[in-house]
Amino acid sequence: LAKTTQPISMDSYEGQEVNITCSHNNIATNDYITWYQQFPSQGPRFIIQGYKTKVTNEVASLFIPADRKSSTLSLPRVSLSDTAVYYCLVGDLSGGGADGLTFGKGTHLIIQP
Amino acid sequence: NAGVTQTPKFQVLKTGQSMTLQCAQDMNHNSMYWYRQDPGMGLRLIYYSASEGTTDKGEVPNGYNVSRLNKREFSLRLESAAPSQTSVYFCATTLALANEQYFGPGTRLTVT
Repeated sequence: LAKTTQPISMDSYEGQEVNITCSHNNIATNDYITWYQQFPSQGPRFIIQGYKTKVTNEVASLFIPADRKSSTLSLPRVSLSDTAVYYCLVGDLSGGGADGLTFGKGTHLIIQP
Repeated sequence: NAGVTQTPKFQVLKTGQSMTLQCAQDMNHNSMYWYRQDPGMGLRLIYYSASEGTTDKGEVPNGYNVSRLNKREFSLRLESAAPSQTSVYFCATTLALANEQYFGPGTRLTVT
């Protein structure tokens, strides 16, 4: 079960680009990387998922270097509503077990005006 | 299309009481999950069901039982509640294991 390490908290300002890095040194060949966002009193919400290189959708980009031992979630031009906890998960989507379903403590991102 | 629904939203129990948390989904997803989240912590997996008719233990299954009643419903039962089970409980579903998860609104449980 691949373990992840993220910063406990980060601060930024409205309009800035925010990059949150997750370390997963023992990632396995079949593991994917998934990021979720959670607001207070709500369940987490899927943001993005990737295996290697770069993935982009309408809300974020995910950068994964060649060795896949880390990944970076990039949020362009953040707003106050992006204040939330962000979780990085790593696991084998085809394994048939609970791999990839471990949420750590996440990164508490605070956006200021 | 309600997505994932959970009942009740709030519950207060006394130590030793039992209760069942209900989860239902109308997304035609195969896999369902129960998590708990304690203050300031991430989510911890209690039990999951890869498909109708199967259930498996997660990280913290002790003190809980589950039933996958049908494809739509997955219930979590506390047979004898303890203060350590005070938490927020989230149900989630995915089309297949470990794919994008869709979460319910949560049940806030307090055991006194």
